[in-house]
Amino acid sequence: KAGVTQTPRYLIKTRGQQVTLSCSPISGHRSVSWYQQTPGQGLQFLFEYFSETQRNKGNFPGRFSGRQFSNSRSEMNVSTLELGDSALYLCASSPGQGLMNTEAFFGQGTRLTVV
Amino acid sequence: TQLLEQSPQFLSIQEGENLTVYCNSSSVFSSLQWYRQEPGEGPVLLVTVVTGGEVKKLKRLTFQFGDARKDSSLHITAAQPGDTGLYLCAGYQGGSEKLVFGKGTKLTVNP
Repeated sequence: KAGVTQTPRYLIKTRGQQVTLSCSPISGHRSVSWYQQTPGQGLQFLFEYFSETQRNKGNFPGRFSGRQFSNSRSEMNVSTLELGDSALYLCASSPGQGLMNTEAFFGQGTRLTVV
Repeated sequence: TQLLEQSPQFLSIQEGENLTVYCNSSSVFSSLQWYRQEPGEGPVLLVTVVTGGEVKKLKRLTFQFGDARKDSSLHITAAQPGDTGLYLCAGYQGGSEKLVFGKGTKLTVNP
């Protein structure tokens, strides 16, 4: 079965612009989580969506937002980009049925560079 | 404050050596997971440990969950260049679907 697909793989944006990243989860998975990965901070949890509702949220400013569609595909948006937003953005999908041992399946990520 | 602390942060060893990496927390987790991430890829799950004191083996990799379920270790025997990567521990926070990660141990195994 197809894995988690993230698009685009690479993106270069200018400070002040906004960006939208896309994630298609594994078929049948209803939970999608987003992470920001940087060398200094590691993987930081952004938010998690389940059945089109944001269920969990990390400690990121309101410039970071997301949504999930009825087919479980998810997008995240970053507005007013800052240099510090340069990172690898990873999406993970899981069945989302409240099983705490559930494996998270990750996409290859979107490498965002802000110049 | 990082919920999961991993050590060491970097490790460079020769092929054939043994190594142990650690994942520690002041919080109790119902389970801990270990992932490996290679450059240009997302993390891939290696193992989930659930029971305090549990030991799981995956070929040359041995994973242990602390008795108090606050810490875990990963031991690699006779490391090979193919073991090179970023090793991450993770746990679900507070009974939610929020999976939090340590910063990882970057392992390099030199031939």
